[in-house]
Amino acid sequence: DQQVKQNSPSLSVQEGRISILNCDYTNSMFDYFLWYKKYPAEGPTFLISISSIKDKNEDGRFTVFLNKSAKHLSLHIVPSQPGDSAVYFCAASALGGGGADGLTFGKGTHLIIQP
Amino acid sequence: KAGVTQTPRYLIKTRGQQVTLSCSPISGHRSVSWYQQTPGQGLQFLFEYFSETQRNKGNFPGRFSGRQFSNSRSEMNVSTLELGDSALYLCASSLDTARTGELFFGEGSRLTVL
Repeated sequence: DQQVKQNSPSLSVQEGRISILNCDYTNSMFDYFLWYKKYPAEGPTFLISISSIKDKNEDGRFTVFLNKSAKHLSLHIVPSQPGDSAVYFCAASALGGGGADGLTFGKGTHLIIQP
Repeated sequence: KAGVTQTPRYLIKTRGQQVTLSCSPISGHRSVSWYQQTPGQGLQFLFEYFSETQRNKGNFPGRFSGRQFSNSRSEMNVSTLELGDSALYLCASSLDTARTGELFFGEGSRLTVL
């Protein structure tokens, strides 16, 4: 039973345009969400996070939106740059719910920025 | 500041053998967690150690075990290896609990079981 789902295994976007990566979750106990970026042969690196008390968090070109009623979050990258080509993982945590599963990750979306 | 260091980076084992992977966290980080990454399943949480105690455990069989030493370094062990254990094993460290988010990952140990 996958609690965090990234339904698009890959996404191709033209350089300079907006990249939108989507993530859905099923566990209503999740109250903290994160995005990680992974290049080949490297470990994932933290990108941005959002708490369930917010619906938006922005950091430079990266913005994460959270829709709790839909159990959906998205990562927007504007403008997209060639260096953004990587696999993006959505992750969730139950900080207040006593969850004991560390971070629950989605399977990732491979973002390809076309020149 | 040195990052998370994992050794070995690559290893090949045969079914039935056991393997031990090592992780040195960022200096000052007390939490070390382990994840298994496979193409079909993404990153799956194995366990988390904090101050030498296992704090959380994922849904993996007892063949997967770990420990943490007083200097926060951690090892994970997989016994009686199966073909399905072939994966990238990632270690991550953080100041406090692994659930509060910003984990710093190592480059991983790529295990191939033949």
